[in-house]
Amino acid sequence: GENVEQHPSTLSVQEGDSAVIKCTYSDSASNYFPWYKQELGKRPQLIIDIRSNVGEKKDQRIAVTLNKTAKHFSLHITETQPEDSAVYFCAGGGRRALTFGSGTRLQVQP
Amino acid sequence: GAGVSQSPRYKVAKRGQDVALRCDPISGHVSLFWYQQALGQGPEFLTYFQNEAQLDKSGLPSDRFFAERPEGSVSTLKIQRTQQEDSAVYLCASSDRDGIQETQYFGPGTRLLVL
Repeated sequence: GENVEQHPSTLSVQEGDSAVIKCTYSDSASNYFPWYKQELGKRPQLIIDIRSNVGEKKDQRIAVTLNKTAKHFSLHITETQPEDSAVYFCAGGGRRALTFGSGTRLQVQP
Repeated sequence: GAGVSQSPRYKVAKRGQDVALRCDPISGHVSLFWYQQALGQGPEFLTYFQNEAQLDKSGLPSDRFFAERPEGSVSTLKIQRTQQEDSAVYLCASSDRDGIQETQYFGPGTRLLVL
């Protein structure tokens, strides 16, 4: 089945800096890659997703890139703000269910 | 509109008890998913419904876990003879289209603690 690995597990940045979180996947049939933000005790919320027919997608301060050949995708957050502090999960979906990474705890220092 | 809701939000069970967790998806959503999220981990897939049909239950960890969605809307996840390792947050998600490659909207989860 699919295996999604995510790193780093923790990331601390200064407010205004950029943050990058990387994921790799194993199943070449995977073609849908969402990113979720989860605040402590809250539900995961979709922040951006990308499909395999697209190499990059951007939504304001958030962008995702996908390299199908290398089987990796990344989340980029620019101009980070304290409210970006949360756990971020990548996921890969193909033939079966979504497989989630283990999460990155992002701390934005004011 | 109303999002996905789950009840109860918290459940404490004694080992060996049966529990039932409810999910109310967004109205009209055809796909419904159950996930288990252990502390500090990402959600892990349990099972998937398309309307009332359970299309994939390969993630259910044992035959003590059972899910149903008899009328294609509300779903119940039942755990029989709970064990301590069942302690986790159980998340439900729904999607307005068929298949797993569509946006999934999550509920707030039910936090289950088995003593």
